[in-house]
Order: sequence, then structure tokens, then C-alpha cells
Amino acid sequence: DVKVTQSSRYLVKRTGEKVFLECVQDMDHENMFWYRQDPGLGLRLIYFSYDVKMKEKGDIPEGYSVSREKKERFSLILESASTNQTSMYLCASSSYRGSGGFYSNQPQHFGDGTRLSIL
Amino acid sequence: AQTVTQSQPEMSVQEAETVTLSCTYDTSESDYYLFWYKQPPSRQMILVIRQEAYKQQNATENRFSVNFQKAAKSFSLKISDSQLGDAAMYFCAHTNELPTATGTASKLTFGTGTRLQVTL
Repeated sequence: DVKVTQSSRYLVKRTGEKVFLECVQDMDHENMFWYRQDPGLGLRLIYFSYDVKMKEKGDIPEGYSVSREKKERFSLILESASTNQTSMYLCASSSYRGSGGFYSNQPQHFGDGTRLSIL
Repeated sequence: AQTVTQSQPEMSVQEAETVTLSCTYDTSESDYYLFWYKQPPSRQMILVIRQEAYKQQNATENRFSVNFQKAAKSFSLKISDSQLGDAAMYFCAHTNELPTATGTASKLTFGTGTRLQVTL
């Protein structure tokens, strides 16, 4: 089974702090994603990465950055945390399966989530 | 803009009964995938069922099945013989292809979710 592990289930930080959320997957997946989940808004994509050192902005990248130095690890960074970044953060990974230009969407596998509170 | 609409914030079903969760979406892509994910109170999202848009046959997974209407851009989930363990938040999602430096990558657009309660 795919295992996506997020380093913390609960995290409390102060405004202005630099915050790191870590995510590790054990299935050699090419793609990794960071979402935030807020009541009534569903999941919104912050950033994703399709290869080591490669990243793309999602729908709400402002105030966030990411790092993917190794294939299995994808970090979300809040450079200067603000109270409006209090949320549930979900990491996900998926594989790319294809050959000869055919691309197959494999389902995303999610971690347990990190509930982040910024005071 | 790519959107997914789940118009039922909350639903309730009695154990052993059948319930249908609705989902509509809007996409300009001709080939895409649709998913239903389940998020139980423990919070880990789990894939329930997947549908490929180019396939006309509705996907089924045991007690879970979908009614996929491509022209209407509708993708509802039917849960038969509901069980207490089905109580969860259910999210509908579809894929979007995005250009990257090396080709394309696929992201998911999610709806706002439907909270399903299962009663005795």
C-alpha cells in the first residue's frame, strides 16, 4: 500500500514565523501535491511537483513556497506565517504511468493531514 | 474556469438504504478523469471510485457506483446498502492537464464536499 506521511498532525505557530510542513511518500511517485482544506471551500491546490526540483504553482500559491530536493520528500514552506493560513494542509502523491506519449492519470494518495494554527 | 459543484452540503441515509450524492462539473477538456474521494473523521482521504471520461460505461466498485452523464457534465455517486462506516465527507473531483517545463501534469479540482451521515 502507498504510504504518504506528514510530519505533524497538529502544529501551532506564531505570526511571522517560518513554518515547514514535511511530506514523505514511499512509492517512488513522480508527482506530489500540497492542498489546503477549509470548511465550505473543499481542497485547493497550493503547489505541486512533477519531478525532483520541479514545481508548479497551483490555485493559491501566495504566501507559500515549496521544496523538492529528493523524489520522496515534498516540503511546504510558509515564509512568514499569518493568521489566514490557519487551516488543514493535505499532502498527496501520484504516479505517472505512460509510454510513447500516452499519459495515464493515476489516483492521488493522501496523507493524514496537518492541522496548522497560526496565533 | 474549471469548477466542481456539490450542491448537497449534508445528506443522511439509514443503514441498509441507498443514497445518491450529486456532482456537476465544468471543464473545457475532452479527455479527463473523474473521482469520488471519501474522508472519514480520521481525515485521511481515500479513493472510492474513478471514471474515465472517454468510457461510456459507468464505473462500479462493490456497493459504490456512478451515474456519469458526459453531455450534462454530471457525475453522481450511488451508495447501496449503506453502512455505518460509510459516514464521511465525500469529495468529487476531476483532472485538469497543466503545461509544465517537460510536458504536462495532471492536477485535481475538488468540489466543496458532501457530509454523509448514516443512521440506524
